[in-house]
Amino acid sequence: KAGVTQTPRYLIKTRGQQVTLSCSPISGHRSVSWYQQTPGQGLQFLFEYFSETQRNKGNFPGRFSGRQFSNSRSEMNVSTLELGDSALYLCASKDSASNEQFFGPGTRLTVL
Amino acid sequence: KQEVTQIPAALSVPEGENLVLNCSFTDSAIYNLQWFRQDPGKGLTSLLLIQSSQREQTSGRLNASLDKSSGRSTLYIAASQPGDSATYLCAVKDFNKFYFGSGTKLNVKP
Repeated sequence: KAGVTQTPRYLIKTRGQQVTLSCSPISGHRSVSWYQQTPGQGLQFLFEYFSETQRNKGNFPGRFSGRQFSNSRSEMNVSTLELGDSALYLCASKDSASNEQFFGPGTRLTVL
Repeated sequence: KQEVTQIPAALSVPEGENLVLNCSFTDSAIYNLQWFRQDPGKGLTSLLLIQSSQREQTSGRLNASLDKSSGRSTLYIAASQPGDSATYLCAVKDFNKFYFGSGTKLNVKP
């Protein structure tokens, strides 16, 4: 079974731009969560989608948004990028039976 | 609000040593606890998942225990190897979300 995939793996953007990250969960998993990881703040929960609906949301500004498609693939969008948005963005899919999370390799976003 | 703490933040041991990593959480109303390993710049790899009704789980040289009443979990690594060098994170799940600790950075010296 293929694991969680994320694209692109690396991104460089400038302040003010917007960016879209993509995540494909493990086949059969309907829950996708997004996290931001920085050296200073650690892993912070952004949001969770289940069957195309946002189920939970972390404490991030409205510039961070997401969506999930009928095939469970998810996208995360960050608008008006700030230097502080530079981070590793991780996507995780969850097995609904066990609640075990499986993470993708991440997208490294650098904002200049 | 759930808070997860991992001690120590960093640990350096010689190869072959047995070691214990600690994870504590403030709210015992959890569904499960999961241990992960993260290599630099990479995603998280799931190591062990303990459901709230379980006391421990084992996989190879790894053993994780859970004591919900005291809000603690330990990850025991037997006969450590240089390849075990990584950051180890624990995460607890309540009804809604996963909460992560800040991790223990392990260095196993040859």
